Amino acid sequence: KAGVTQTPRYLIKTRGQQVTLSCSPISGHRSVSWYQQTPGQGLQFLFEYFSETQRNKGNFPGRFSGRQFSNSRSEMNVSTLELGDSALYLCASSLQGAEETQYFGPGTRLLVL
Amino acid sequence: GESVGLHLPTLSVQEGDNSIINCAYSNSASDYFIWYKQESGKGPQFIIDIRSNMDKRQGQRVTVLLNKTVKHLSLQIAATQPGDSAVYFCAESLYSGGGADGLTFGKGTHLIIQP
Repeated sequence: KAGVTQTPRYLIKTRGQQVTLSCSPISGHRSVSWYQQTPGQGLQFLFEYFSETQRNKGNFPGRFSGRQFSNSRSEMNVSTLELGDSALYLCASSLQGAEETQYFGPGTRLLVL
Repeated sequence: GESVGLHLPTLSVQEGDNSIINCAYSNSASDYFIWYKQESGKGPQFIIDIRSNMDKRQGQRVTVLLNKTVKHLSLQIAATQPGDSAVYFCAESLYSGGGADGLTFGKGTHLIIQP
């Protein structure tokens, strides 16, 4: 079974721009979660989608948003990029949610200049 | 807010020795704990998990111990190999009934294997 895939793998943007990242979960998984990883803050939970609905949200500003499609694929969007948004963005999928094993993709490395 | 922490940022062990990576958590209501391994340039890879109704669980060369009294989690790796070099994260999940909140991660321990 194919693992979690994320596209693109690397991205360079400038301040003020917006970006959309994509995640395809493991086949059959309905829950998709997004995390931000930085050297200073570590791994932090952004939000979780289940059956096309945002079910949980971490402590991030409204510039960070996401959505999930009927095939469970998910996208996250960051608007008005700031330098501090430079990070590795990780997507994880699971059958039902964070109360069970989440499997991570390789991440998208975003650099904001 | 409450978070999961790790005792040591770096752990250096000899190849073939056993490794023990520790983690302290603060949320006594957490009911699911996971260890992940992250190699450079890759996403976290699931190693082993344990639920709060257990105190020990074994996998292939790995054992996770959970001590709820002192809110402590540990990962034991037997006969450490060069391929075990990575950053290890513990994570906790608090099931809120309406669907679990996201995982809360510790800061990670970098395991270095010396030949």
